[in-house]
Amino acid sequence: GAGVSQSPRYKVAKRGQDVALRCDPISGHVSLFWYQQALGQGPEFLTYFQNEAQLDKSGLPSDRFFAERPEGSVSTLKIQRTQQEDSAVYLCASSSETGSYNEQFFGPGTRLTVL
Amino acid sequence: AQKITQTQPGMFVQEKEAVTLDCTYDTSDPSYGLFWYKQPSSGEMIFLIYQGSYDQQNATEGRYSLNFQKARKSANLVISASQLGDSAMYFCAMRGKGSSYKLIFGSGTRLLVRP
Repeated sequence: GAGVSQSPRYKVAKRGQDVALRCDPISGHVSLFWYQQALGQGPEFLTYFQNEAQLDKSGLPSDRFFAERPEGSVSTLKIQRTQQEDSAVYLCASSSETGSYNEQFFGPGTRLTVL
Repeated sequence: AQKITQTQPGMFVQEKEAVTLDCTYDTSDPSYGLFWYKQPSSGEMIFLIYQGSYDQQNATEGRYSLNFQKARKSANLVISASQLGDSAMYFCAMRGKGSSYKLIFGSGTRLLVRP
């Protein structure tokens, strides 16, 4: 079956622009995660959804970052008034609740470059 | 606070030899999970192996095995019979505290397999 998909794969934005990043999780996966990966670093948690409920947004770096998953499937991460420090790869992951270890399946990421 | 430490920024290994990638962790939670992911240059995170804190035996998955030493809080990845395709970034991660199951990643180790 299809894995996690993300679009766009690459995004270049001018400083101050708003961007929207999309994630299509694996069908039927109730859990969805967003991570931010800066160059040369490990991914860092941003936010978590269980179905349409955003249960943890403790990793969002500022109020310019907003995520939603209105119907419990596709999710959008929105960044308002982008800054250069927002340049990173944004990874989306999904998981089912049936696995005892809750393996997360990752998408290919969206590479955001803010000029 | 929970933390993952990977002290080897880069490693070389000769093709067909075994290599160990180090990972130490810090947590006060008695129940936790440890993961290893591979990230090739394409960017996608590929799940390799999982170890639960209560698992009695070290996890194995094909050429991958996890050397879990609970008292030392280490979870080293062993790759046997290295192949050229094993060249990639490797991340150790821990499932975080609370209900969000977020992953906390280390800074990664870049492995290069020499022919």
